[in-house]
Amino acid sequence: ETGVTQSPTHLIKTRGQQVTLRCSSQSGHNTVSWYQQALGQGPQFIFQYYREEENGRGNFPPRFSGLQFPNYSSELNVNALELDDSALYLCASSPGTSGRANNEQFFGPGTRLTVL
Amino acid sequence: GENVEQHPSTLSVQEGDSAVIKCTYSDSASNYFPWYKQELGKGPQLIIDIRSNVGEKKDQRIAVTLNKTAKHFSLHITETQPEDSAVYFCAASPGNQFYFGTGTSLTVIP
Repeated sequence: ETGVTQSPTHLIKTRGQQVTLRCSSQSGHNTVSWYQQALGQGPQFIFQYYREEENGRGNFPPRFSGLQFPNYSSELNVNALELDDSALYLCASSPGTSGRANNEQFFGPGTRLTVL
Repeated sequence: GENVEQHPSTLSVQEGDSAVIKCTYSDSASNYFPWYKQELGKGPQLIIDIRSNVGEKKDQRIAVTLNKTAKHFSLHITETQPEDSAVYFCAASPGNQFYFGTGTSLTVIP
């Protein structure tokens, strides 16, 4: 059984550009959540997907969007990048039988995004 | 929304001593409280969790206690080892969203 994987590991973009980050869930997990972790802070919830539909969203603007695919892999897209978007982006998968259940979340290693 | 506070922000202990990290939460609807360990350059790793119908849970050297009335929960690590050095995060969840504390950087001095 493989764990949660994310790609790329590091990424450098310039302000105004767009970025796509990818996540493969742990085998058998149908729920994926995305978090932003600024340096020295705890992760902040961006949104969650359950069976390919958004299932909750944190306090992030619409330029943060996502997708979940039939194989439960997921993407996080960020448009019009700002300097403050520089952070570690984490995805976490859950073996939820329901998107509303607060099951354990298992995190990937993250993608370090730097916006210049 | 939920607000989780975590203390202390840094903690240094001698190898073999115990370490305690405390968190408070604000939303009485929170019913799941996981603890994560994050090493440099890695994602958070779930080390123990507790649900609101339980007051205490133990797994070898790690234990978590929950006081629902006071809305606080704590992580206890006994017989600390150098490999316990990392940043520890508490979280509270009233549903599908996790709210994290700001982290505690634990250093175990050999």
